[in-house]
Amino acid sequence: AQTVTQSQPEMSVQEAETVTLSCTYDTSESDYYLFWYKQPPSRQMILVIRQEAYKQQNATENRFSVNFQKAAKSFSLKISDSQLGDAAMYFCAYRKDQGAQKLVFGQGTRLTINP
Amino acid sequence: KAGVTQTPRYLIKTRGQQVTLSCSPISGHRSVSWYQQTPGQGLQFLFEYFSETQRNKGNFPGRFSGRQFSNSRSEMNVSTLELGDSALYLCASSLILGGVGYGYTFGSGTRLTVV
Repeated sequence: AQTVTQSQPEMSVQEAETVTLSCTYDTSESDYYLFWYKQPPSRQMILVIRQEAYKQQNATENRFSVNFQKAAKSFSLKISDSQLGDAAMYFCAYRKDQGAQKLVFGQGTRLTINP
Repeated sequence: KAGVTQTPRYLIKTRGQQVTLSCSPISGHRSVSWYQQTPGQGLQFLFEYFSETQRNKGNFPGRFSGRQFSNSRSEMNVSTLELGDSALYLCASSLILGGVGYGYTFGSGTRLTVV
């Protein structure tokens, strides 16, 4: 079974600084998808960024980028120029293939932004 | 375009009762997945419905069931409620084209408290 591990229950960063959230996963599949979701107090899960395992290039979305290391099964999220609105729970998630609609989530990292 | 709508937002039930939660997907989305989120167990996949059929099921007891209607709206039912069923229940909908899922979007969840 696939597992996702986030080893940092809590992280904090100064506003405008850069922070990296860690995620490792375990799978025997060669093709899969990885995601970072943000869950603010409003509770809705919001997609931050996604990465297809077959792509070697790391995904980037504005201030958010990932460091995808397939051999090491590592998928970290870097947030640059942190803003107060970035404060939330961040979840790393795995999906087996294009057709699968089941996400396997890590335990989450609570990110605090200090003004 | 309307998002994924979950009703009710909050619910308080007594042990032993049963409860039904509703999820209306984004228009055109025929796949609906359900997740349970608790502080102890994190986010866990319950089941997925597509075209009124359950396609995938997580590791939950038979007290948890669901169904999907012809308009793709889905309901989740929990019978004989236990205190441990207190959780945030999230649903997500996606568009399935040629077996590939697109636009996986979450609702804001239903907060169930069992007393």
